Amino acid sequence: GESVGLHLPTLSVQEGDNSIINCAYSNSASDYFIWYKQESGKGPQFIIDIRSNMDKRQGQRVTVLLNKTVKHLSLQIAATQPGDSAVYFCAENIRSSYKLIFGSGTRLLVRP
Amino acid sequence: DAGVIQSPRHEVTEMGQEVTLRCKPISGHNSLFWYRQTMMRGLELLIYFNNNVPIDDSGMPEDRFSAKMPNASFSTLKIQPSEPRDSAVYFCASSRYDGYAGELFFGEGSRLTVL
Repeated sequence: GESVGLHLPTLSVQEGDNSIINCAYSNSASDYFIWYKQESGKGPQFIIDIRSNMDKRQGQRVTVLLNKTVKHLSLQIAATQPGDSAVYFCAENIRSSYKLIFGSGTRLLVRP
Repeated sequence: DAGVIQSPRHEVTEMGQEVTLRCKPISGHNSLFWYRQTMMRGLELLIYFNNNVPIDDSGMPEDRFSAKMPNASFSTLKIQPSEPRDSAVYFCASSRYDGYAGELFFGEGSRLTVL
C-alpha cells in the first residue's frame, strides 16, 4: 500500500549544528504534510506542517521543505539543542481527510 | 489545558485477560483517534470518532478489540481476550477539526505488556 517512506536511521549531530531529517512519500494525492517529535516515554508532538501548495515553511528554529517533484520532505532544525533529541516522524494527509499516514521515524541524537 | 489524558500508563497482564484503556480528550475537540505503536509497524490508526460517533474502525485488528465513546470527554479501548501480540503502546489523540486530521494532540500513551 501507499505509505510515507522513511528509513530508520539515527542522526547524530553536535550541539549547535544544524540538523536535516529527510522523508520520502509515495502518494501524489497527499496535500498536507506534518512533522511530529516523540520524546522517550511520551506521545508524538506536533512540530510544523506544510500544505502541498507551498515549498517551504518556517517556524521557530525549524524549517520544512517540500519537493513535490521528487516527493521529498525535509525538516531542518537550526542550532540543534540537547532537548531536540527525540524520534521525528513525518506524516502525510490525503485530501484533507482524517487519516494521517506516519513514517517509521528517525532518531536524532544531539552530542554535547 | 491538561492535554489528552490516558490511563493506565503501564499495564502488565496475562494472556486471556481483559484490558481496558481510557482516554480523556482535550475539551472542545470533536475528533478522537486511537493509535497503536510498535517497533515493527510504527504508528497505526485503530479507530476514529467524530462527535462521539465511530466513523472508521477499519484499523481495529480483530473482534477482540472494541472502542467506545459514551460522551465527549471519555473513550475506552478494550481488548478481550488479550494476546501477547497485542503488546504495544496505545495512544489516544484528539483534534479540534471535524473529518480532518489537522494537528493531533496525543496523550502520553498506555504501554501494554501481555505475558
